[in-house]
Amino acid sequence: NAGVTQTPKFRVLKTGQSMTLLCAQDMNHEYMYWYRQDPGMGLRLIHYSVGEGTTAKGEVPDGYNVSRLKKQNFLLGLESAAPSQTSVYFCASSWAIENNEQFFGPGTRLTVL
Amino acid sequence: AQKVTQAQTEISVVEKEDVTLDCVYETRDTTYYLFWYKQPPSGELVFLIRRNSFDEQNEISGRYSWNFQKSTSSFNFTITASQVVDSAVYFCALRRGSGGSNYKLTFGKGTLLTVNP
Repeated sequence: NAGVTQTPKFRVLKTGQSMTLLCAQDMNHEYMYWYRQDPGMGLRLIHYSVGEGTTAKGEVPDGYNVSRLKKQNFLLGLESAAPSQTSVYFCASSWAIENNEQFFGPGTRLTVL
Repeated sequence: AQKVTQAQTEISVVEKEDVTLDCVYETRDTTYYLFWYKQPPSGELVFLIRRNSFDEQNEISGRYSWNFQKSTSSFNFTITASQVVDSAVYFCALRRGSGGSNYKLTFGKGTLLTVNP
């Protein structure tokens, strides 16, 4: 099993450009999550999904959109990138049971100039 | 509201020393879960341990041990005889056990551990 994979690993954008980050998991997990990690801030939840076709906002959803058209994929979109969105983005997935840990992807390092 | 505090931003030790990483949490829930993750320099997040609020038994896994104390709302992590490979950022996280937002992990800001040879 590949676990959780993320595409791309690195990306540089100019302010105002758009892009989509792809997350895929092969563990048949119901829940999927997008986090961003900034220096000194830990990880903060952007959006999450509790199942195919569902999405919901996390702590810091502004400027991002998500879609979960297939159970195994969770897409994070930036419609008009801003320098404040420079960050490392992590996707995670988990079973829909209370005590289950989240499995994380390798991360995507995004720089917005 | 949920909150996790890792007061130690950075710790530096010499190999073979023991080191304890502190984690203090805040929650009003009676059921909750605590986690530790390791983020080595390569960047990925590696799950280390999960503990639920009803299980205060300490756990040992090789050189790693965890001390969960509900009375002080702490879930501390000790590495015995540290090694250079233990150098990483360590995150403590909290998850609700029930309720509408039980999906969400609340992370501390992390502790950077550097083990010098």
